[in-house]
Amino acid sequence: GNSVTQMEGPVTLSEEAFLTINCTYTATGYPSLFWYVQYPGEGLQLLLKATKADDKGSNKGFEATYRKETTSFHLEKGSVQVSDSAVYFCALSEWQAGTALIFGKGTTLSVSS
Amino acid sequence: DTAVSQTPKYLVTQMGNDKSIKCEQNLGHDTMYWYKQDSKKFLKIMFSYNNKELIINETVPNRFSPKSPDKAHLNLHINSLELGDSAVYFCASSQDGAGPLGQFFGPGTRLTVL
Repeated sequence: GNSVTQMEGPVTLSEEAFLTINCTYTATGYPSLFWYVQYPGEGLQLLLKATKADDKGSNKGFEATYRKETTSFHLEKGSVQVSDSAVYFCALSEWQAGTALIFGKGTTLSVSS
Repeated sequence: DTAVSQTPKYLVTQMGNDKSIKCEQNLGHDTMYWYKQDSKKFLKIMFSYNNKELIINETVPNRFSPKSPDKAHLNLHINSLELGDSAVYFCASSQDGAGPLGQFFGPGTRLTVL
């Protein structure tokens, strides 16, 4: 079945450091890939997405590229801020009515000033 | 103009009670979902409804019963609550299944069973 594996956290960085959170997936078809972010005490927000191979999703300085050859969708940011502290979830979906998102286990990012 | 709203935000109750969580979306989406997030932050689908029809019903105890009175609402009723039901429950909606537009999540309901 489909699955998502992302690096275990927590990830602790200083402000302005470079961030990478690894995500790999297993899927039978051609899924869409997503990164969601959950700030403390809040729900999930869609951070960025990519729908086909070699697509790059980007938002708020974060980027991720859909790599079919390595089945990966790693999240990167060049310079993190304290406000980026949150839990990040990689997810995939196959496009059918009612199909659910399959999430990785989440990676907690903590940024200190 | 909240897109996906849930009530209540917090729910504390005793074992054995019956409780409901309500969800409403004003995005005009066709599909709604319930996810459970456990204490380790792991998210798992419980149910999904498409145009009021049950599409996904994962291996969830039958004490959990979703109800969708219309496309904009998906409620979750839980009978005979157990300690293990303590979690955060998220409602979500989408226009295209779980396709490229993604899903929109509510703020969550933190259920604590004592």
